[in-house]
Amino acid sequence: DIQMTQSPSTLSASVGDRVTITCRASQSISNSWLAWFQQKPGQAPKLLIYRASSLESGVPSRFSGSESGTEFTLTISSLQPDDFATYYCQHYNLYSPWTFGQGTKVEIK
Amino acid sequence: QVTLKESGPALVKPTQTLTLTCTFSGFSLSTSGLRVSWVRQPPGKALEWLARIEWNDNKLYSTSLKTRLTISKDTSRDQVVLTMTNMDPVDTATYYCARMHPYSNWGQGILVTVSS
Repeated sequence: DIQMTQSPSTLSASVGDRVTITCRASQSISNSWLAWFQQKPGQAPKLLIYRASSLESGVPSRFSGSESGTEFTLTISSLQPDDFATYYCQHYNLYSPWTFGQGTKVEIK
Repeated sequence: QVTLKESGPALVKPTQTLTLTCTFSGFSLSTSGLRVSWVRQPPGKALEWLARIEWNDNKLYSTSLKTRLTISKDTSRDQVVLTMTNMDPVDTATYYCARMHPYSNWGQGILVTVSS
């Protein structure tokens, strides 16, 4: 199975900061099948990014995703109060089991 | 409007088998390309993908849990069922069903506690 290593596990930031979260895959992910989710306490996860860099409909443009080899990055260009949450990457190779990263909690600095 | 809702027991005893049902509306799992997954989350911990079933009845399981999991669908009733055998206290978690990839629609989750 493809393992996803996400970092950091916790991130302290201020409103307006540029935030970057990284996910490294244990092997190549075909067709950029990598998604990013946001989860707030007591809520189901919400899809932000799919195919590594495609923004889900309705998601603010301050969220972006990129890919370089087996390293994937979620960037929030200017952190807003509503963005304090936990973020997960997930690979979704359509021919194998899926896995999530361990999560990154974005906290108020 | 797409909705999914999980149902099942809130409490199971160790060694018992857990059966969860996901009842959905707004789509048909007989539609080509669609798939429904189960995901769980222990209190305060990370998401863990468990299994998925696809429109063509293809099934995939988490490698670490595959010996304990069975997923099935009843297209006529718009339901997906997950069974997990030999439950243990470490299996205490909120269990979600979700239509994912394509789309992303999640149920509210059901908290299942494993305790004697």
